[in-house]
Amino acid sequence: GQQVMQIPQYQHVQEGEDFTTYCNSSTTLSNIQWYKQRPGGHPVFLIQLVKSGEVKKQKRLTFQFGEAKKNSSLHITATQTTDVGTYFCAGKQGGKLIFGQGTELSVKP
Amino acid sequence: DGGITQSPKYLFRKEGQNVTLSCEQNLNHDAMYWYRQDPGQGLRLIYYSQIVNDFQKGDIAEGYSVSREKKESFPLTVTSAQKNPTAFYLCASSTKQGTGANVLTFGAGSRLTVL
Repeated sequence: GQQVMQIPQYQHVQEGEDFTTYCNSSTTLSNIQWYKQRPGGHPVFLIQLVKSGEVKKQKRLTFQFGEAKKNSSLHITATQTTDVGTYFCAGKQGGKLIFGQGTELSVKP
Repeated sequence: DGGITQSPKYLFRKEGQNVTLSCEQNLNHDAMYWYRQDPGQGLRLIYYSQIVNDFQKGDIAEGYSVSREKKESFPLTVTSAQKNPTAFYLCASSTKQGTGANVLTFGAGSRLTVL
């Protein structure tokens, strides 16, 4: 079936280290969205990428959409304790939004 | 403030009982969705509705039912046929047009525990 694979499932970093999570799809995506879910909270929309090769930045967060529109990444530079949470990608395939399994980020002060 | 309200936040039920989770939005969004979240499995789509009086099954609809009698409301019933109902349930909505099209706004969730 349709799947969006996201890795790693967990990532533990020291505050100040960088963090990256990756999403991969076997089929071409119309667009990809990224959400953040804080512990005990609900997913909150971060960004949407639509164009092949697109790169967007939000302060310390950099989002990329692959040239083939089958993969995407989220990179956080110099993590802070406020970055803690689970990051989900969600790819649009044939009109449906398919969520990755999420990457849970913990940051040690 | 516009948003999505889910209730109850926590719910405990005995096996064999049907339960209904409420979801109300005042964002004037056309589309509404129900997701189930289990640890390590991301978000799985249960049902969605693009318009009033119409809804479609998602990937894991068995054991669940919904209705969409009003644009603002999309309640989910977890029936006794659902084999493993203990989970965190998230309601979401989206507009279908404009720059925010298909971007999901989530409610705070309802955590159901079946004893």
